[in-house]
Amino acid sequence: QKEVEQDPGPLSVPEGAIVSLNCTYSNSAFQYFMWYRQYSRKGPELLMYTYSSGNKEDGRFTAQVDKSSKYISLFIRDSQPSDSATYLCAMISNDYKLSFGAGTTVTVRA
Amino acid sequence: DAGVIQSPRHEVTEMGQEVTLRCKPISGHNSLFWYRQTMMRGLELLIYFNNNVPIDDSGMPEDRFSAKMPNASFSTLKIQPSEPRDSAVYFCASSLRRTGGVEKLFFGSGTQLSVL
Repeated sequence: QKEVEQDPGPLSVPEGAIVSLNCTYSNSAFQYFMWYRQYSRKGPELLMYTYSSGNKEDGRFTAQVDKSSKYISLFIRDSQPSDSATYLCAMISNDYKLSFGAGTTVTVRA
Repeated sequence: DAGVIQSPRHEVTEMGQEVTLRCKPISGHNSLFWYRQTMMRGLELLIYFNNNVPIDDSGMPEDRFSAKMPNASFSTLKIQPSEPRDSAVYFCASSLRRTGGVEKLFFGSGTQLSVL
């Protein structure tokens, strides 16, 4: 079993819809939880990170962490065509190794 | 800041040839990572340097792979000899590792390697 499992997708939604992305993990030592966005033919870029259970908002993006259930989510409100990308969850314990999910490809249709 | 710079962007080579991928990390960053991305396996960490010293190379697939970081502004990943199964996108990432904080990785645009 992989340390990080991510809903595979792909997801296709109309512009303005809410996008919900999810990951589960098995390693209780994970302390930091991140979401990376990767556009086609580009490297991943850090979108958001959090280290506690609960919600963290940044504009149209909300990251949610539930450590008791080992479950994290990313919500994108009022989705735009420019949000079309692959989203990867990533987690880290107290060392340097990020464990990435496989990624979910999102397409927002205009 | 120009970000992490990788070269070449694309590399097509024949099986058995030597391949060298290059990376210039963000100035001031003290950690450098080489990742490989494939559809089947996702993003895999190959090797990690801190202050130019290799810390963990357990992700390097086999002896055909080697990486160097001769100074803080340059790193190479070499595959010799290359094989078709090495075909993937190779990413370099750098970060400023500080005690007690989350490590934010900045990725380059990657090198698309095709071994025929």
